[in-house]
Amino acid sequence: GAVVSQHPSWVICKSGTSVKIECRSLDFQATTMFWYRQFPKQSLMLMATSNEGSKATYEQGVEKDKFLINHASLTLSTLTVTSAHPEDSSFYICSARDPQGDEKLFFGSGTQLSVL
Amino acid sequence: QQQVKQSPQSLIVQKGGISIINCAYENTAFDYFPWYQQFPGKGPALLIAIRPDVSEKKEGRFTISFNKSAKQFSLHIMDSQPGDSATYFCAASSGGYQKVTFGTGTKLQVIP
Repeated sequence: GAVVSQHPSWVICKSGTSVKIECRSLDFQATTMFWYRQFPKQSLMLMATSNEGSKATYEQGVEKDKFLINHASLTLSTLTVTSAHPEDSSFYICSARDPQGDEKLFFGSGTQLSVL
Repeated sequence: QQQVKQSPQSLIVQKGGISIINCAYENTAFDYFPWYQQFPGKGPALLIAIRPDVSEKKEGRFTISFNKSAKQFSLHIMDSQPGDSATYFCAASSGGYQKVTFGTGTKLQVIP
């Protein structure tokens, strides 16, 4: 099946710094990518929909200026957590649709962010 | 509000047994119902999915049963194995593979 690569798999940062997470579709072009957040033992909550060449669409309650999303190419979307604080610590997961493969959603392996 | 309710929250099954996870939805516009398997520290992986025009879909040991009138669907894992121990999420979306709404998850433990 299609592969979505997410990097880094874990990151520890100091409060106030910014962290960038990359999501790449390795063998298909993804016009749309999704970013999720997951707290321990909880479900995935959609944060935003990233569309190549246009602005991301954020879900209600998600701060646009806090979570910057860039989808500059058909194979790469990035999520930047700006001025991170301990409450931003979470597991972040990206997913991408393969438009040629029945448009199924494939997920990255996730990024565990810990803000000290 | 789009919601997908999932039960049970956790499940313990003996090796060789049948694991059953149930989900219910409210939005009749949903037209795609996937199930995902997630291991600790990993992203979800698509297991099996169904559309409302069929009542059952089977892939290997995994079967989805779908009841459109009741707005319920379930995952059956036959001959459950310890390697199946993971968290399972049901999900639903409308208009194809757009925004997916996830259930609350079921942590399955298969004991030898």
